[in-house]
Amino acid sequence: DVKVTQSSRYLVKRTGEKVFLECVQDMDHENMFWYRQDPGLGLRLIYFSYDVKMKEKGDIPEGYSVSREKKERFSLILESASTNQTSMYLCASRAPGEYYGYTFGSGTRLTVV
Amino acid sequence: GENVGLHLPTLSVQEGDNSIINCAYSNSASDYFIWYKQESGKGPQFIIDIRSNMDKRQGQRVTVLLNKTVKHLSLQIAATQPGDSAVYFCAENISRGSQGNLIFGKGTKLSVKP
Repeated sequence: DVKVTQSSRYLVKRTGEKVFLECVQDMDHENMFWYRQDPGLGLRLIYFSYDVKMKEKGDIPEGYSVSREKKERFSLILESASTNQTSMYLCASRAPGEYYGYTFGSGTRLTVV
Repeated sequence: GENVGLHLPTLSVQEGDNSIINCAYSNSASDYFIWYKQESGKGPQFIIDIRSNMDKRQGQRVTVLLNKTVKHLSLQIAATQPGDSAVYFCAENISRGSQGNLIFGKGTKLSVKP
């Protein structure tokens, strides 16, 4: 089975800090995604990547950046954390092609104080 | 942004009963659909999928029905168990050439009463 591992389950950071959320998958998937999940708002796509060194903005990229230096690792960066970035962050990977679902990590619950 | 207190639709069923969770999708060109289950504190897990050239697919205790005419997807869970309590959400695939991103519904919370 594909495993998607997010490095932290819970994080507490201060406003203005630079925050790194790490995600690693072990099945050589090209496609990786970062979502945030908030009550009543569902899953919202922040950034995604279809290959190494490649990134595309999702629906809510403001305040975030990403890095994909290796195929298995997709990092989400909060350049200067703000309280409105308190959320559950979910990483997912997917094999290329139309008929595959995402495999999600367990999530990182980030609180910015 | 601020959470505005929106609540998920909730379905409450008795243990042993069948559950039906519904989803309306947005794009008539979507060609692939998935149901996910998310338990509290965990990431979403794949349950079952269906391609647009089918209208029904069955798994173990779960069935997905697709009605393309009205852009409606449903998940049926037979003999619902307490372990089925979770948030369920549907996803549709919007193709981008050979790639595609999933668009997720907001979810339905299933609560199973013992």
